[in-house]
Amino acid sequence: QKEVEQDPGPLSVPEGAIVSLNCTYSNSAFQYFMWYRQYSRKGPELLMYTYSSGNKEDGRFTAQVDKSSKYISLFIRDSQPSDSATYLCAMKQAISSNYQLIWGAGTKLIIKP
Amino acid sequence: EADIYQTPRYLVIGTGKKITLECSQTMGHDKMYWYQQDPGMELHLIHYSYGVNSTEKGDLSSESTVSRIRTEHFPLTLESARPSHTSQYLCASSGFGTGSSEQYFGPGTRLTVT
Repeated sequence: QKEVEQDPGPLSVPEGAIVSLNCTYSNSAFQYFMWYRQYSRKGPELLMYTYSSGNKEDGRFTAQVDKSSKYISLFIRDSQPSDSATYLCAMKQAISSNYQLIWGAGTKLIIKP
Repeated sequence: EADIYQTPRYLVIGTGKKITLECSQTMGHDKMYWYQQDPGMELHLIHYSYGVNSTEKGDLSSESTVSRIRTEHFPLTLESARPSHTSQYLCASSGFGTGSSEQYFGPGTRLTVT
């Protein structure tokens, strides 16, 4: 069983819709949670970074962590065609460099104009 | 702005050839990483380095080797390429000390071994 599960999609929604992307994980020791966005033929870039449980908002993006359910979400409001990309979740146990990021497989998101 | 470069971007090569994938960063980051990414699969860490003359193997077994002679440069070498090495290779770096987990990625090298 993978440590991090993520639905590969593709998830196709109309422009302006609210998008919900999710990951589940099995290791209760994970404390740092990240969402990366990867455009086609590019490397991933960090979108959101949260520590422990709770919500974090940045513009149209909201990251949510529910450690009791081992479930994290990324919400995108007022989705735009430029949001079309693959979204990868990543997490780690501690801030120390001794712990490596564990990645989800990514969800491909398509925003239709 | 994050500046991390990978060359070549695309490479098609025959079985048995030796290849080196180049990665350079201009941010002075101490940590650098090589990942392998296949379609629909999670990123797999194949090598990492915490500084000059420091290299470690990642979770994914790999027949490649790396070196870190200069802070900014982290090349990956395959001594004898095989079709099973066909994949996307991503290089990344991250910041100073233990306080930063953000990894900055290069654009990747797409390798095809025929």
